[in-house]
Amino acid sequence: AQSVAQPEDQVNVAEGNPLTVKCTYSVSGNPYLFWYVQYPNRGLQFLLKYITGDNLVKGSYGFEAEFNKSQTSFHLKKPSALVSDSALYFCAVWITDSWGKLQFGAGTQVVVTP
Amino acid sequence: GAGVSQSPRYKVAKRGQDVALRCDPISGHVSLFWYQQALGQGPEFLTYFQNEAQLDKSGLPSDRFFAERPEGSVSTLKIQRTQQEDSAVYLCASSLAAGVVYNEQFFGPGTRLTVL
Repeated sequence: AQSVAQPEDQVNVAEGNPLTVKCTYSVSGNPYLFWYVQYPNRGLQFLLKYITGDNLVKGSYGFEAEFNKSQTSFHLKKPSALVSDSALYFCAVWITDSWGKLQFGAGTQVVVTP
Repeated sequence: GAGVSQSPRYKVAKRGQDVALRCDPISGHVSLFWYQQALGQGPEFLTYFQNEAQLDKSGLPSDRFFAERPEGSVSTLKIQRTQQEDSAVYLCASSLAAGVVYNEQFFGPGTRLTVL
């Protein structure tokens, strides 16, 4: 079965420190991977995606993600976290069955403290 | 605004009632998706429309769930005889093209359904 896993329910980091949110995937064929962020009472916002090409993908709000095929991982990173980065982060994989759909991980709550 | 809108934002229903949830996608977007997000979980795919055609309804949990997009723009998700397990946030997303993984999905704010 194709899936993504987010092993951490919550990540706590101090403002200014590096932030990493982990994601691993299991797919047959080429993986198409995404990161979304969800703020309270708001819809999911797209951060970045990996389709092909460079393993380091740069996205919105200073976030980047590193695709690692050998470790089947797609970790989200930010060099210096802000309090405003506190939110729920979802990793997702595009499932290429039928017409295609996104399958999301369970989410990781990020808490950035001043 | 130019984003995806959903209404109502909150809905409380008594068990057994029928509900209808509306999604207004971004104008011109061909693809429309519905997701169900239970508390503490990631969104789960329900159904997919390409224009007015419902091409994938494999995620609908039961025959009480019905979705339509008759004119290829606004979509309605209807739940008949609601049950407590239907309580969740229902998210709608649209994307510009059809069935292409490269196209970003734009999400609405969701409708939080609570069934008492």
